[in-house]
Amino acid sequence: AQKITQTQPGMFVQEKEAVTLDCTYDTSDPSYGLFWYKQPSSGEMIFLIYQGSYDQQNATEGRYSLNFQKARKSANLVISASQLGDSAMYFCAMSRPPFQGAQKLVFGQGTRLTINP
Amino acid sequence: GAVVSQHPSRVICKSGTSVKIECRSLDFQATTMFWYRQFPKKSLMLMATSNEGSKATYEQGVEKDKFLINHASLTLSTLTVTSAHPEDSSFYICSAPAGSYNEQFFGPGTRLTVL
Repeated sequence: AQKITQTQPGMFVQEKEAVTLDCTYDTSDPSYGLFWYKQPSSGEMIFLIYQGSYDQQNATEGRYSLNFQKARKSANLVISASQLGDSAMYFCAMSRPPFQGAQKLVFGQGTRLTINP
Repeated sequence: GAVVSQHPSRVICKSGTSVKIECRSLDFQATTMFWYRQFPKKSLMLMATSNEGSKATYEQGVEKDKFLINHASLTLSTLTVTSAHPEDSSFYICSAPAGSYNEQFFGPGTRLTVL
């Protein structure tokens, strides 16, 4: 079984600062995919970034980067130069390798990020 | 990115009635869609995997007779909450895989309130 743990229920950060959201995972699968999603107060889930367990380099997407440490089973999301619009709930999730077809996601508990002006 | 729509966005119904929620992939085909449920301030919990042309696969503890899923075409999956009760009140959200990483694209969700 797969499990995602997000230990930070809430984070408060000043605007323009960088922020790291923690995510650890557990799985017996040899290959897997790791995702981060953002959920604003409107409820929609917005895909941010993906990391494959087989990827040698850490994923980056604009201001988002994923600090993937496979031996420690962690996949922390780093947001650089935070903006007020980054205030939202952030979920870490994992699945079996997505290249094998549609895979269900297992989500962590989420971290509520608040950016202060 | 790929677009997934859901209808209705919000529904209030009386206890005992059935409610149908539609999930559509607007600009891509989806042989598989997923249905999640989210309680306030909680995470998303997978309810079932919807498969086009075949029966849905339900997660452990989800009543298949209570939550009927039909995936009639490559762009439409429906979730029907039968004989709804107040404890069924929740945020229901669907997703479909697309994109470079086969990542899930989510619909905007449906907030169900059962009185």
